[in-house]
Amino acid sequence: EVQLVESGGGLVQPGRSMKLSCAASGFTFSDYYMAWVRQAPKKGLEWVASISYEGSSTYYGDSVKGRFTISRDNAKSTLYLQMNSLRSEDTATYYCARQGNYGGYRGTFDYWGQGVMVTVSS
Amino acid sequence: DIQMTQSPASLSASLGETVTIECLASEDIYSNLAWYQQKPGKSPQLLIYDASSLQDGVPSRFSGSESGTQYSLEINSLQSEDAATYFCQQHHDYPPWTFGGGTKLELK
Repeated sequence: EVQLVESGGGLVQPGRSMKLSCAASGFTFSDYYMAWVRQAPKKGLEWVASISYEGSSTYYGDSVKGRFTISRDNAKSTLYLQMNSLRSEDTATYYCARQGNYGGYRGTFDYWGQGVMVTVSS
Repeated sequence: DIQMTQSPASLSASLGETVTIECLASEDIYSNLAWYQQKPGKSPQLLIYDASSLQDGVPSRFSGSESGTQYSLEINSLQSEDAATYFCQQHHDYPPWTFGGGTKLELK
């Protein structure tokens, strides 16, 4: 059974940093692109960042480019999101998601974690 | 970037009815459209990919279709457990991966 479990959220002051983790199990982690998708309170879904199989390629949404860094440790089957220079508009639930890697699933988010809340406030 | 415009933003329907949610892509996405269901307090779940292919385990009362750059999600014989917010997402041209704004379905 595929499982994605996020951790590391909480309350942080504007301008500070926070690192999220996502522990994956139930599949071969290194066979999949992974992503972070966020959802501000009562709002829609916003793709944040994605990372390739070995981590050699990373992609970021415009709203976080230059401030957030996605990374992965395939030996630990863990995905990370380092968030720097946090702003109030970064307040959201952050979901770790597996990205489909074949056929019609390519480009979809086929499994999601339960999400972790990040609140940026003084 | 491809923009996804979803409508309506919300709708209310009764048990047993049929509802349709639509998603308009800003350009041709060649059927690369996914639908997700998000129940209150839960994470999104993939329902449909490639516009009309059902994810394993998804009831057959859910179906997807397309007409040009307009995509539709139809839910037949509404059940109480279908109360949720539904999102579309294009998986044709990325990054960025883009979602529609969501449709909140309420059961009367």
